[in-house]
Amino acid sequence: AQSVTQPDIHITVSEGASLELRCNYSYGATPYLFWYVQSPGQGLQLLLKYFSGDTLVQGIKGFEAEFKRSQSSFNLRKPSVHWSDAAEYFCAVGADAGNNRKLIWGLGTSLAVNP
Amino acid sequence: DSGVTQTPKHLITATGQRVTLRCSPRSGDLSVYWYQQSLDQGLQFLIHYYNGEERAKGNILERFSAQQFPDLHSELNLSSLELGDSALYFCASSVGLGGSDQPQHFGDGTRLSIL
Repeated sequence: AQSVTQPDIHITVSEGASLELRCNYSYGATPYLFWYVQSPGQGLQLLLKYFSGDTLVQGIKGFEAEFKRSQSSFNLRKPSVHWSDAAEYFCAVGADAGNNRKLIWGLGTSLAVNP
Repeated sequence: DSGVTQTPKHLITATGQRVTLRCSPRSGDLSVYWYQQSLDQGLQFLIHYYNGEERAKGNILERFSAQQFPDLHSELNLSSLELGDSALYFCASSVGLGGSDQPQHFGDGTRLSIL
């Protein structure tokens, strides 16, 4: 069955430190992968997406993610975290099952940033 | 601003009541998705409409129903409300049939509180 796992429920980093949020997926075919961010009190915003081609994908707000097929992973990274990056981060994989196309979501990783 | 509009932003009601949540998708988007987000269950996909037709159902209760109108706006109806229905309800839209290869654009959500 298709699934997305975000192993870290909560992460705390210091401002200026590097960040890596993990995402592992289970899907039989080539996946379409997404990272979304949800700031407090707001809806989800698309950070970046991977469809094909270069496995290192650049997104908004200085984020990037790397698709590793051998590890079934799509980890999100940022070299230097800002206090405004504190939010909930969701990984999702696009799944096709006949006419039933949908996104399968991870449970999210909550990021706190210490000053 | 994602271009997806949800009303109302907040809704407080009592158990047993019925409410209607409204969503206007981004201009040009034909697909509308509804999600429920609660602390204990995370982001749960409820239902997907494309150009007025139901395309996929997720974890939607029988007490809940939705529709998409000819002008593409959508409504989510929640009836016989229970305390456990208290959650954030998000609407998202995408350009086409959606799902695997199309990012979804989220509204800011409706916070439903059941007293």
